[in-house]
Amino acid sequence: QSVLTQPPSASGTPGQRVTISCSGSSSNIGSNYIYWYQQLPGTAPRLLIFKNNQRPSGVPDRFSGSKSGTSASLAISGLQSEDEADYYCAAWDDGLSGRVVFGGGTKLTVL
Amino acid sequence: EVQMVESGGGLVQPGGSLRLSCAASGFAFTSYEMNWVRQAPGTGLEWVSYITSSGSHIYYADSVKGRFTISRDNAKNLLYLQMNSLRAEDTAVYHCARALTGDPPYMDVWGKGTTVTVSS
Repeated sequence: QSVLTQPPSASGTPGQRVTISCSGSSSNIGSNYIYWYQQLPGTAPRLLIFKNNQRPSGVPDRFSGSKSGTSASLAISGLQSEDEADYYCAAWDDGLSGRVVFGGGTKLTVL
Repeated sequence: EVQMVESGGGLVQPGGSLRLSCAASGFAFTSYEMNWVRQAPGTGLEWVSYITSSGSHIYYADSVKGRFTISRDNAKNLLYLQMNSLRAEDTAVYHCARALTGDPPYMDVWGKGTTVTVSS
């Protein structure tokens, strides 16, 4: 059971806008930044969004992030076939000893 | 080129030990903090451990605390993960990932991973 909760799957057609949610608690999302990772099949994860809504260089502006309270969202606009991948949210958790926590991942299918 | 390459994975019996290494190149290793993240077959990402640039602060996931030890050799640009008392549930691909100072979840460079299989 992951500390951060994501829907297991999402889908959309090319050109559409899709969102992926990530729900946590006051000790993680509620008090720290959210990060998003994209993992294409057979590859290592790639940082997509950092500090809630910032994009590393090279990430298209079709990808955007937001956070409100203990929840966060990743939005992908102008969906493309190459966006088909697994997406993970992550955050620091201020619990007893401190840790990084991930969501269980959302598999995005481009129909 | 900025890269990290893991090694040391393999097949080990339950209760056994392995030491993973991660060789960093193309960047100032001593300026970055480091994570180990694993992914069991067909499942999601699981954070394992984090070490600050000097090695002065270390954090572990509850699932590995007391069994795994993270360390680094800044003179050799190497990160390690000593894994003892291995269990079947430790079977996974283990990635090292670079993090920004004071920002453990900011993992901007990842290695391709090394596979650990715990089985009799």
